[in-house]
Amino acid sequence: QQQVKQSPQSLIVQKGGISIINCAYENTAFDYFPWYQQFPGKGPALLIAIRPDVSEKKEGRFTISFNKSAKQFSLHIMDSQPGDSATYFCAASADAGGTSYGKLTFGQGTILTVHP
Amino acid sequence: ETGVTQTPRHLVMGMTNKKSLKCEQHLGHNAMYWYKQSAKKPLELMFVYNFKEQTENNSVPSRFSPECPNSSHLFLHLHTLQPEDSALYLCASSTQGFSGDEQFFGPGTRLTVL
Repeated sequence: QQQVKQSPQSLIVQKGGISIINCAYENTAFDYFPWYQQFPGKGPALLIAIRPDVSEKKEGRFTISFNKSAKQFSLHIMDSQPGDSATYFCAASADAGGTSYGKLTFGQGTILTVHP
Repeated sequence: ETGVTQTPRHLVMGMTNKKSLKCEQHLGHNAMYWYKQSAKKPLELMFVYNFKEQTENNSVPSRFSPECPNSSHLFLHLHTLQPEDSALYLCASSTQGFSGDEQFFGPGTRLTVL
């Protein structure tokens, strides 16, 4: 129930195209859904995040779409650029009430390659 | 730069060695985390410290021993490791460890166990 399933494992997109990565979860207690971006040799860095009270959040070329009833959320990268080539991880966490801590459950990751 | 540093960046050790990984955060955060990143597997949370107190041990084998002497430093002591422990070990920190607090990751230590 704690799993977050991410697809696809790898994605190849042409420059200027749209990259779409999907995640699904089971735990309805999850209340925070971040996406992390990781470049080779670096640690993951927060890209964009959403709470379940909204269905979409946009920051520049990056958009999260959230479907609470389907327990799915996705990352859309518009006008994909070669510099976007990285590994993307979705994640989810839940406020554990009296023992609150930011325990993130991560998806398996998607390796995105954007060809020039 | 994320403000979270890790040393060493690379470590090769034998199964009988004892070594330690170090993490330091310069962000004034109160929560620190150890994650394990293996190829083709999700990042696995290992330990969480909030205000120097361990609040999560995610069923990690005792050959991994964390230490958090203060809110800025986190160590992972390693002993009698197995080859399957080879992975990238990531340290992260956040403001207070609540759900929704952004976690800032270090670059990781690439560990190889021979």
